[in-house]
Amino acid sequence: AQSVAQPEDQVNVAEGNPLTVKCTYSVSGNPYLFWYVQYPNRGLQFLLKYITGDNLVKGSYGFEAEFNKSQTSFHLKKPSALVSDSALYFCAVLNSGYSTLTFGKGTMLLVSP
Amino acid sequence: GAGVSQSPSNKVTEKGKDVELRCDPISGHTALYWYRQSLGQGLEFLIYFQGNSAPDKSGLPSDRFSAERTGGSVSTLTIQRTQQEDSAVYLCASSLGSAFSGNTIYFGEGSWLTVV
Repeated sequence: AQSVAQPEDQVNVAEGNPLTVKCTYSVSGNPYLFWYVQYPNRGLQFLLKYITGDNLVKGSYGFEAEFNKSQTSFHLKKPSALVSDSALYFCAVLNSGYSTLTFGKGTMLLVSP
Repeated sequence: GAGVSQSPSNKVTEKGKDVELRCDPISGHTALYWYRQSLGQGLEFLIYFQGNSAPDKSGLPSDRFSAERTGGSVSTLTIQRTQQEDSAVYLCASSLGSAFSGNTIYFGEGSWLTVV
């Protein structure tokens, strides 16, 4: 079965500093990987996805993610964090067979002023 | 509409009552999904529609849960004889076609269900 793991419940970073939110995956075959963000009392917003091609994927709001096959990782990054980036971030993998997503447990990102 | 629309946004119901949650996908999207988000269980897949058919309903937790989709558009998730453990946010999502073809899955704002 496909799965993703987000090893950190919470990440704290100061505004202006670079941020990384970690995700590792376990899949059979080629992985289709996604990042979503959830602001308080809101639904999930799509940030970016990796299907194939370049290992560095650029997404919304200045976020990017690096696909690393040897380390089975898909970490989310941003060069300079904003207070408004504070939210819950989910990594997800597309399940083989059907077009459904399996999500990690989420990582809370807190950016301090 | 511009995005996935869900109603009601909030619902408080008494234990044992039935509830219906509605989802309007993005216009033209053939794939529709229901997920549940709760504190203890995280994000759980419930059911997937392609058109009006549900090729994957493996995530429905019990026979009290059912869903249908009509006209390849609107979907309704029905929970019968609600229990307190059904309290959660029910998220609907849609995509233009199969996500394996590169289509992005977009989520609605969710329906917050509280069973008292």
